[in-house]
Amino acid sequence: GQQVMQIPQYQHVQEGEDFTTYCNSSTTLSNIQWYKQRPGGHPVFLIQLVKSGEVKKQKRLTFQFGEAKKNSSLHITATQTTDVGTYFCAGWSPGGYQKVTFGTGTKLQVIP
Amino acid sequence: EADIYQTPRYLVIGTGKKITLECSQTMGHDKMYWYQQDPGMELHLIHYSYGVNSTEKGDLSSESTVSRIRTEHFPLTLESARPSHTSQYLCASSGASGRSGYEQYFGPGTRLTVT
Repeated sequence: GQQVMQIPQYQHVQEGEDFTTYCNSSTTLSNIQWYKQRPGGHPVFLIQLVKSGEVKKQKRLTFQFGEAKKNSSLHITATQTTDVGTYFCAGWSPGGYQKVTFGTGTKLQVIP
Repeated sequence: EADIYQTPRYLVIGTGKKITLECSQTMGHDKMYWYQQDPGMELHLIHYSYGVNSTEKGDLSSESTVSRIRTEHFPLTLESARPSHTSQYLCASSGASGRSGYEQYFGPGTRLTVT
């Protein structure tokens, strides 16, 4: 079945440093989403990427979808303590009845 | 804030008991999902539904069952709870009419402990 891996598993950064998490799928995806889960909370949708090579920005966050639609990245510029949490990608399989597979997640700690 | 509800929020139950975790959404979404998540770990899809009377199993082998008799309601049932079922269960819904197509809205979760 479809597998979605993320690296790194954990990342500690000083406040103000940049952060990047990478998401790799074993199969070609229809689209990919990113979610953020704060400690003790539930995942919250951040963004969806659909097109090959797509790049989207949300303030300090930049999301990319690979040309082959098998990988994606999330980059945060100048991290803040409010960025703390676990970031998950979620890959959707192509086809009529799409199925979603969440990535393994990257837990971000920001040191003030 | 999305309108998706889960009850109970916390449940401690003995081995062998039958339990039903409730999930309801008031957004009219046709798609609903159940995930299992251990603390700090990834989400595993255990069941999903693309509409009334439609249910499918996810990637994670599960001894639970689901039903979708009404659009807004997607309960999860464990016939005989075991300690290995101890985890957090997250319900989510999505609709193609949402601002981002298949964006999923998650409920607050049910934290289940089986003793």
